[in-house]
Amino acid sequence: QVQLRQWGAGLLKPSETLSLTCAVNGGSFSGYYWTWIRQPPGKGLEWIGEKDHSGSTNYNPSLKSRVTISIDTSKSQFSLKLNSLTAADTAVYYCARGRMIRGVTMLDPWGQGTLVTVSS
Amino acid sequence: DIQMTQSPSSLSASVGDRVTITCRASQSISNFLNWFQQKPGKAPKLLIYAASSLQSGVPSRFSGSGSGTDFTLTISSLQPEDFAAYYCQQTYSTPYTFGQGTKLEIK
Repeated sequence: QVQLRQWGAGLLKPSETLSLTCAVNGGSFSGYYWTWIRQPPGKGLEWIGEKDHSGSTNYNPSLKSRVTISIDTSKSQFSLKLNSLTAADTAVYYCARGRMIRGVTMLDPWGQGTLVTVSS
Repeated sequence: DIQMTQSPSSLSASVGDRVTITCRASQSISNFLNWFQQKPGKAPKLLIYAASSLQSGVPSRFSGSGSGTDFTLTISSLQPEDFAAYYCQQTYSTPYTFGQGTKLEIK
């Protein structure tokens, strides 16, 4: 059974860079879309972007200029970097595995989530 | 971006009730629609993918239907553990977008 475990700094200052890592335990790395999603406190979910093992990437246009998703297949890990942080980036950040079935992408499993607070 | 609108935003129901949550897309998304359940402090859990396919391990009281722009999630007989927030998500085109959520509360 595949499990995702994530970690990273939880308190950052405005203008700093968020850096989170997600480790994939128990499954293959190829053939999937490695995805990040965030959720501001008390609010809904926002898809940040995805990267597959071949390097193909899709980002949310609202964040595209500030976000980078990278993959390290040797460590079975993928990472998120988001720069030029503001208070609006305060959220719980989740990693997830995307899989395509009958042409439809589904997200499962998810990491446990990391609360990132941006405050001076 | 494709806008996803859920209704209602909140819902009060009792154990044993049949509950339906609706999700509408701003354009046709075929069956590229997933449903998630989220409990407080936890990551979302996939319930339904491709509009009507039940994810492995999810109880059969959950079902999904719809195609095009209108979709529904039905819980046939509410159990105490079903009180949570529910989100739809379209994966027809990026950026993949979520509905605003439906909070299901105990009456």
